[in-house]
Amino acid sequence: QKEVEQDPGPLSVPEGAIVSLNCTYSNSAFQYFMWYRQYSRKGPELLMYTYSSGNKEDGRFTAQVDKSSKYISLFIRDSQPSDSATYLCAMSGQAGTALIFGKGTTLSVSS
Amino acid sequence: GAVVSQHPSWVICKSGTSVKIECRSLDFQATTMFWYRQFPKQSLMLMATSNEGSKATYEQGVEKDKFLINHASLTLSTLTVTSAHPEDSSFYICSGMTSGRADEQFFGPGTRLTVL
Repeated sequence: QKEVEQDPGPLSVPEGAIVSLNCTYSNSAFQYFMWYRQYSRKGPELLMYTYSSGNKEDGRFTAQVDKSSKYISLFIRDSQPSDSATYLCAMSGQAGTALIFGKGTTLSVSS
Repeated sequence: GAVVSQHPSWVICKSGTSVKIECRSLDFQATTMFWYRQFPKQSLMLMATSNEGSKATYEQGVEKDKFLINHASLTLSTLTVTSAHPEDSSFYICSGMTSGRADEQFFGPGTRLTVL
């Protein structure tokens, strides 16, 4: 079993839809959870960061962490064509260490 | 967020040659830099961790004699792929960290290496 599992998709939605992206993980030591957005042939860009369990909202984006289920989610409201990208979940057990990434989910939002 | 640059953005080389990739933190001092590799439709996989002035720590399965990492200053780390082969073709991404905060790891734009 891989440490971080993420459905690669692709996921296609119409503009304005609510998008739900998810990752599961196996290492209970993970405490830091991130969502990155990556455009084709570019480096990842940090979208959301959550420490331990709970929810965090930033504009149209909401990140949720359920440590008891080892499950994290990213919700995108009112999705836009510009949201079309690959979304990577990443996590680590200690601050200052390298991140363990999921495979990424490719999202396409059509206008 | 802070800015990390990589050079070159893409490179094509012949099998058996060596290629050097530079990673620079432009507006912060990166005490730690990470090198990742990403194959198509795969996740970023950590190759090595380097701290300024120290030898890099390589992940299991990554040949340290093949992937030479130098982190000589707080703003520059280099990855040299020696005697490159087609299976080394990949997207190489570096990231820099300054404070040890988990959310303050800044990624470069990546370097696409193609070995013919």
